[in-house]
Amino acid sequence: KAGVTQTPRYLIKTRGQQVTLSCSPISGHRSVSWYQQTPGQGLQFLFEYFSETQRNKGNFPGRFSGRQFSNSRSEMNVSTLELGDSALYLCASSPDVMNTEAFFGQGTRLTVV
Amino acid sequence: GEDVEQSLFLSVREGDSSVINCTYTDSSSTYLYWYKQEPGAGLQLLTYIFSNMDMKQDQRLTVLLNKKDKHLSLRIADTQTGDSAIYFCAENGGYQKVTFGTGTKLQVIP
Repeated sequence: KAGVTQTPRYLIKTRGQQVTLSCSPISGHRSVSWYQQTPGQGLQFLFEYFSETQRNKGNFPGRFSGRQFSNSRSEMNVSTLELGDSALYLCASSPDVMNTEAFFGQGTRLTVV
Repeated sequence: GEDVEQSLFLSVREGDSSVINCTYTDSSSTYLYWYKQEPGAGLQLLTYIFSNMDMKQDQRLTVLLNKKDKHLSLRIADTQTGDSAIYFCAENGGYQKVTFGTGTKLQVIP
């Protein structure tokens, strides 16, 4: 069974640009969540989708958005990039409502210059 | 809000046991997790424990949960150099709003 796939693995963007990151969950998983990992703030929850609906959202500005498609694949978008958005963005998928097991992808390393 | 705390660093000799500790604040957490992150990699789920359990053992890993004190620990028996990584404790506040600790960097000395 393929794991969680995130693309691209690495990305360099300029301040003010926007970026879209993609996450393909494990086949059969319907929950996808996103996290931001930075040296200063650690791992922080961005949002979670289940069956195309956002069920929960962390404390991030509106520049951070996401969506989930009918095949459970998810994208997150960051608009008007800031230097502080440089981070490792991790996606996790889970098979069930209770999210007992969340499997993480390798992440997308975003660098904003 | 939810908060999860861990010590930042632990150093052990190869073959010894490692114990990584964690405290959390959200008493409504249903699941608590231990993840491992190696350099340049994503997070690997090591084990999890349901909040009504006191202990869970999985091969070299033993998780202890003291719900009264909101204290979680991970014991790695016979620690190997391949266990060197950052270990994250995390709690699930529902709908996968998982709060992670700062991570404990485990260094295994050969």
